[in-house]
Amino acid sequence: DADVTQTPRNRITKTGKRIMLECSQTKGHDRMYWYRQDPGLGLRLIYYSFDVKDINKGEISDGYSVSRQAQAKFSLSLESAIPNQTALYFCATMAPNTYEQYFGPGTRLTVT
Amino acid sequence: AQTVTQSQPEMSVQEAETVTLSCTYDTSESDYYLFWYKQPPSRQMILVIRQEAYKQQNATENRFSVNFQKAAKSFSLKISDSQLGDAAMYFCAYRKGGIQGAQKLVFGQGTRLTINP
Repeated sequence: DADVTQTPRNRITKTGKRIMLECSQTKGHDRMYWYRQDPGLGLRLIYYSFDVKDINKGEISDGYSVSRQAQAKFSLSLESAIPNQTALYFCATMAPNTYEQYFGPGTRLTVT
Repeated sequence: AQTVTQSQPEMSVQEAETVTLSCTYDTSESDYYLFWYKQPPSRQMILVIRQEAYKQQNATENRFSVNFQKAAKSFSLKISDSQLGDAAMYFCAYRKGGIQGAQKLVFGQGTRLTINP
């Protein structure tokens, strides 16, 4: 079984809808991250969390919110989706000693 | 702020040949880590190789090796004996050392590698 899972894997939604992307991990890591990937821009950090009580904004947090429900779960929400939020979204964890990041399989989100 | 630049949006190579992907970065830190990630069509991000800045020896993982030029802030990836399975998007990434590095990875724009049979 994958260490970091994301649901859904693909989603099409309409402008103005609220949508939640979910991430779960079995690695036991405290640190979790949400990235967004756009063609030609690489991956950019949306939010990160060092533990259940710690949430931090990344470089492109506008229009997004997150919830850290438990050590293993970190959800990303788009309160009112817009077309320029169409992208590939990745959740990741970070190992505590090596700081190596482990990525989920990604969620392809299309906002029409 | 740290930046990572991959100046080659696309590269292609003949199967079994060698190809080098370029990456430059900008930082004022002395303690940091550099990474190359591979993203095949499955979209999964796979760590290919990592380099600690304090190590002078270039990292090597089987057919993958890096040319780490710290003074020039250059971190290129060499793939030897290219295989069809190497076709993917490759991302260069940077992380600060220490606890500050836990904040994030900084990624380059990516290079799409095509392997010609």
